[in-house]
Amino acid sequence: DIQMTQSPSSLSASVGDRVTITCRASQDIGNYLAWFQQKPGKAPKSLLFGASSLQSGVPSKFSGSGSGTDFTLTISSLQPDDFATYYCQQYNTYPFTFGQGTRLEIK
Amino acid sequence: EVQLVESGGGLLQPGRSLRLSCTASGFTFGDYSMSWFRQAPGKGLEWVGFIRTKAFGGTTEYAASLRGRFTISRDDSKSIAYLQLNSLETEDTAVYFCSRLRWGSGGFPDFWGQGTLLTVSS
Repeated sequence: DIQMTQSPSSLSASVGDRVTITCRASQDIGNYLAWFQQKPGKAPKSLLFGASSLQSGVPSKFSGSGSGTDFTLTISSLQPDDFATYYCQQYNTYPFTFGQGTRLEIK
Repeated sequence: EVQLVESGGGLLQPGRSLRLSCTASGFTFGDYSMSWFRQAPGKGLEWVGFIRTKAFGGTTEYAASLRGRFTISRDDSKSIAYLQLNSLETEDTAVYFCSRLRWGSGGFPDFWGQGTLLTVSS
């Protein structure tokens, strides 16, 4: 199975900050990477696909980059609504696998 | 508006079986693959499997550890995807989410249901 490793596991930031979360795949997945946001007790929300393409309705403050094995999610100008857990997922190879999540907390 | 509503969760004893449903609306159900995921309490997301559209044979893919106990099916006439869970184990306790995948052949989730909680306990 492809292992997906996110870093950091948790992150404290302030409103207005810009943060970057990293996701590393254990083997080449091309650009078959998606990012999700999840708030406590809620369903995940799809943010990006193809490593860098925004899902419809997702604000441009979210951006993604990378290909192969190394990917990043950047969130600019943090607002209170952005504090959540973020997951990456590869959909290049079965089984589809997730990173362990990055918990973004308010400083 | 795309909507996915899971149902069928509850409290079951180990060894029992259960079928979860995912009722879809707001899009042409038969044009999309449908997937199931789960999330154990306090844990991360886990992919369960998915079913392709009839145009791609309606075939399925599963997480290896669940293949044989879990079965995904679909009824395009009712716009429902199902997850059959057999020989339940306490480790199957989780919130189960269904999602729509972007392509008929699979791909990435673009919409998610709110989830249904399954608790397996004696």
